[in-house]
Amino acid sequence: SAVISQKPSRDICQRGTSLTIQCQVDSQVTMMFWYRQQPGQSLTLIATANQGSEATYESGFVIDKFPISRPNLTFSTLTVSNMSPEDSSIYLCSVGLLGSHEQYFGPGTRLTVT
Amino acid sequence: ILNVEQSPQSLHVQEGDSTNFTCSFPSSNFYALHWYRWETAKSPEALFVMTLNGDEKKKGRISATLNTKEGYSYLYIKGSQPEDSATYLCAFSTGGGNKLTFGTGTQLKVEL
Repeated sequence: SAVISQKPSRDICQRGTSLTIQCQVDSQVTMMFWYRQQPGQSLTLIATANQGSEATYESGFVIDKFPISRPNLTFSTLTVSNMSPEDSSIYLCSVGLLGSHEQYFGPGTRLTVT
Repeated sequence: ILNVEQSPQSLHVQEGDSTNFTCSFPSSNFYALHWYRWETAKSPEALFVMTLNGDEKKKGRISATLNTKEGYSYLYIKGSQPEDSATYLCAFSTGGGNKLTFGTGTQLKVEL
């Protein structure tokens, strides 16, 4: 398994600003992912964070809005840019371990945009 | 578009009751089916990963079954306790198995 921490745990931000969320894992992992859950919706994959190269975004998500960094095998950041109230969500990072079907999740960052 | 449906959306039971939830998913190109328990302000906790048709898994009072041919999985909780109160999520993956498509979850409340 893997232990994952996220910072901040929650934030309230004004529209038009940006927030960077950090994800730290206690061991080196190959695969890291970013998800969000909008109110009343399911957890949705935003992108796969690739170490040393650009993230792979899912349909409906773009790099300009959600830039992602992954400088090494234990850390990643997701930035929510130019925020609007529609970005109010819980953002979670997850990791997949090589040779395992399982994904492990961080505790999430609860974002409210006013 | 892959749709994962969970039912019921929410459930209130009394302590000691047994309960079950349903997860429906597309049966084509199946790779794995995941169940998670998610308590507020905590990380989603992985309960089960199932890959084979007919799989049955058990952890304490919680068990799950999988039917990949008809595209459904059941999660059972025997003798519910207040600490079982959480949202139970299922997620489906295809192909290489890295991308999870989640349902909206079943919110369980166990009352004394």
